[in-house]
Amino acid sequence: KQEVTQIPAALSVPEGENLVLNCSFTDSAIYNLQWFRQDPGKGLTSLLLIQSSQREQTSGRLNASLDKSSGRSTLYIAASQPGDSATYLCAVIPPKGTGNQFYFGTGTSLTVIP
Amino acid sequence: SAVISQKPSRDICQRGTSLTIQCQVDSQVTMMFWYRQQPGQSLTLIATANQGSEATYESGFVIDKFPISRPNLTFSTLTVSNMSPEDSSIYLCSVGTSGSDEQYFGPGTRLTVT
Repeated sequence: KQEVTQIPAALSVPEGENLVLNCSFTDSAIYNLQWFRQDPGKGLTSLLLIQSSQREQTSGRLNASLDKSSGRSTLYIAASQPGDSATYLCAVIPPKGTGNQFYFGTGTSLTVIP
Repeated sequence: SAVISQKPSRDICQRGTSLTIQCQVDSQVTMMFWYRQQPGQSLTLIATANQGSEATYESGFVIDKFPISRPNLTFSTLTVSNMSPEDSSIYLCSVGTSGSDEQYFGPGTRLTVT
């Protein structure tokens, strides 16, 4: 069974700092990987989707990378802002035909201090 | 992308009662899913809501406890039956659109069972 781990569980940084969030998974036979943001008590907002054939995706100040062979993905946030404070979740999407279960990590809670 | 709404946004219910959560999408979608997020935990897939047939439940979830309806391609309901305090969670609806590998999530329903 796929297991997804996110380290660190919590992170606090001063505004303007660049930071990296880590996601690791045990089974490299994945289809895609998706990063989400979750604000307290709210639903999930999709940030980036990386297909298994890609190595990275960029959107604004966010850059996500994927290394299937090592079972890792990173989310890089440049020039962090207080509005970036949220919990960040990665989800591993299994190969087609193996079910609909997205395997979610437990998240990294990010606080950006003004 | 898809715009998803859920009702209610939150509720406090008594033990032994049932609550039905509604999920409405602004466009026709092939796949609709229901997730649970227990306090401090990540997301777990409850079931896939299939239009015109019974839902497909993941291991550990049963139809008697979580009956699901999907009468058309834009709407689904999840009922949490005979509730106990252990059912206190955020329940999230998500959808997958044809031609995209991403999933989009609703704002969630925060349920507290007393």
